[in-house]
Parts: sequence; C-alpha cells; structure tokens
Amino acid sequence: ETGVTQTPRHLVMGMTNKKSLKCEQHLGHNAMYWYKQSAKKPLELMFVYSLEERVENNSVPSRFSPECPNSSHLFLHLHTLQPEDSALYLCASSQDLMTQNSPLHFGNGTRLTVT
Amino acid sequence: AQKITQTQPGMFVQEKEAVTLDCTYDTSDPSYGLFWYKQPSSGEMIFLIYQGSYDQQNATEGRYSLNFQKARKSANLVISASQLGDSAMYFCAMREDTGNQFYFGTGTSLTVIP
Repeated sequence: ETGVTQTPRHLVMGMTNKKSLKCEQHLGHNAMYWYKQSAKKPLELMFVYSLEERVENNSVPSRFSPECPNSSHLFLHLHTLQPEDSALYLCASSQDLMTQNSPLHFGNGTRLTVT
Repeated sequence: AQKITQTQPGMFVQEKEAVTLDCTYDTSDPSYGLFWYKQPSSGEMIFLIYQGSYDQQNATEGRYSLNFQKARKSANLVISASQLGDSAMYFCAMREDTGNQFYFGTGTSLTVIP
C-alpha cells in the first residue's frame, strides 16, 4: 500500500456521537495535516504535526481533537459536532516543514455528514 | 486579504485544445512556492506541478505548464491537448518560507467537452 490512506470514506453521525477519522501515510514523511474542505471555500487548515508534535492549531473548536501517535498515523477525534461541521476532511503529509518545494500528498478524504 | 485568488469558478474546453486556469497570489515573502492540484470527483487532491519563486524558467510536467509572471504575482496553469479525464476541480496553492501552511484558492471547475 502506498500514499496516504484515510478511513472511513464516508461517515454519518449524530450530534451526540463520538467518532474518529484515521489517516496513515506510507511515504516516510515527517509532517502531517488535517484540512477541512467545504463547498465554494478554500481548504481550511486545521492542524499540522511535525514529528508527532503539533505545530499549528488554527483556532479549531475543541470538539475536534487531533492525535498523532507516530509520524505515520494521524487521527481526528470528533464529539458533539454541529451540522455546519459537515464537510470533506482531508489528511495530507509532506516530507517535512522545511523543504519549500515539498508538495502535500493527500488522502481520498472522509465525507462527513452531521445530522 | 486572500492569499490565493482563482477568479474562474468554471471553465469549459474542447477536447484536444489547450486551456489556461488563472491564479494570482499575495505575499510579501521573497521566497515562496506555488503548487497546482487536481481534484477529481473521487475527492483525492493530486499534485500536478510546482514553481519556486526564484526559478528562472516556467515549470513544465508533461501536458502541464505554469505561466509564472512574478511581477504580476500570477501563476497560471496551462493544460495542453485536453483530455476527457482532465475534467476536475483545480486548485492553486502557495507556501511561504516563513510559515507552516499552504494557502489554497477556491478552485476552478474544468469540464472537457468531447
């Protein structure tokens, strides 16, 4: 298996549920990211991890909780979400945070619907 | 102010023709990188091409080329010999040397007509 893998592909959850999104990268990268993609809006950066340490947290509500147990895995724990949180959640990795020409490599995303 | 502006919400191109997707950016950093991504309906963002701010030549990758005009702060993507499989959303992005994040535009939806 290569690249960046996200599970599940689709998730429907109620506002009181707790669920987790999983991301795994097989590229040997040191940086991992969570992005939120909503219709007609630019991708919104949520969290950045470098070597398992969180380096960016863009004013994301506490109902989103990231976890990076190692440089290959990234989780996004969800609880008491709101309907406006429905979106495509994309995980990405890059070689590191220093190499300017290192692109992001994305997973297929998790399509989240909050009912 | 928006860091990346893509003014074309939707574009149509005839198969086998060339198409240009516009992108302008805003930064005061002297060193930065510009990226283009393709997002088919499946959802995955696919990296296409990169241009560094100090690169003297326009980047090319197969049928993709980047028309980089530094003074105008524009980095337009040119797709030559369009194919039906090129139909997708296209996103322009920038990474500044001083920051940890990539800034994305709102995207352009490209439809290739047979």
